[in-house]
Amino acid sequence: QQQVKQSPQSLIVQKGGISIINCAYENTAFDYFPWYQQFPGKGPALLIAIRPDVSEKKEGRFTISFNKSAKQFSLHIMDSQPGDSATYFCAAENTGNQFYFGTGTSLTVIP
Amino acid sequence: GAVVSQHPSWVICKSGTSVKIECRSLDFQATTMFWYRQFPKQSLMLMATSNEGSKATYEQGVEKDKFLINHASLTLSTLTVTSAHPEDSSFYICSATAGGYEQYFGPGTRLTVT
Repeated sequence: QQQVKQSPQSLIVQKGGISIINCAYENTAFDYFPWYQQFPGKGPALLIAIRPDVSEKKEGRFTISFNKSAKQFSLHIMDSQPGDSATYFCAAENTGNQFYFGTGTSLTVIP
Repeated sequence: GAVVSQHPSWVICKSGTSVKIECRSLDFQATTMFWYRQFPKQSLMLMATSNEGSKATYEQGVEKDKFLINHASLTLSTLTVTSAHPEDSSFYICSATAGGYEQYFGPGTRLTVT
């Protein structure tokens, strides 16, 4: 059973556009929601993360929007650049340090 | 800070042999380390969780006798793939946590079994 559902599977965005990736979860015990960026042949790197007591968090061009009642959260990449082309994973973690990853979104930013 | 290294980054071995992958936290003490497996264009699949000095906890479906995990110190965990077969070829990634929520991932090890 997929604990965290992620969409879309792939995304193509024009340079300068906004990339939006969505995730949904069921388990209300999750209390930490990170987003990871992964380039081919590399390990995931933490981009940005949010706790459920906050509805939005922004770091540079990356913003997480969190809707606790809907059990959904999303990553927005503003002014998308070709260098942002990578696979993005959302995740949810409970207090036992158990991580559940989404299925990933392959983002391609075309010049 | 919070750097996790893996060694080797890439290994080829013959079918039937064993291979060891090391995971080190370079600038922090890792209370817990995790091992993941990732197939091409797929998400990370948790294999096992290990705490220093105790036996690893394996996820359902992961053969503990095949994937031996040793967490000898607060900065080192090893994964040994025993009697490797071509189907074990994959990208293996470790991560570590210092007790907080953040997990720090290593760069991964590409294993190819011929």
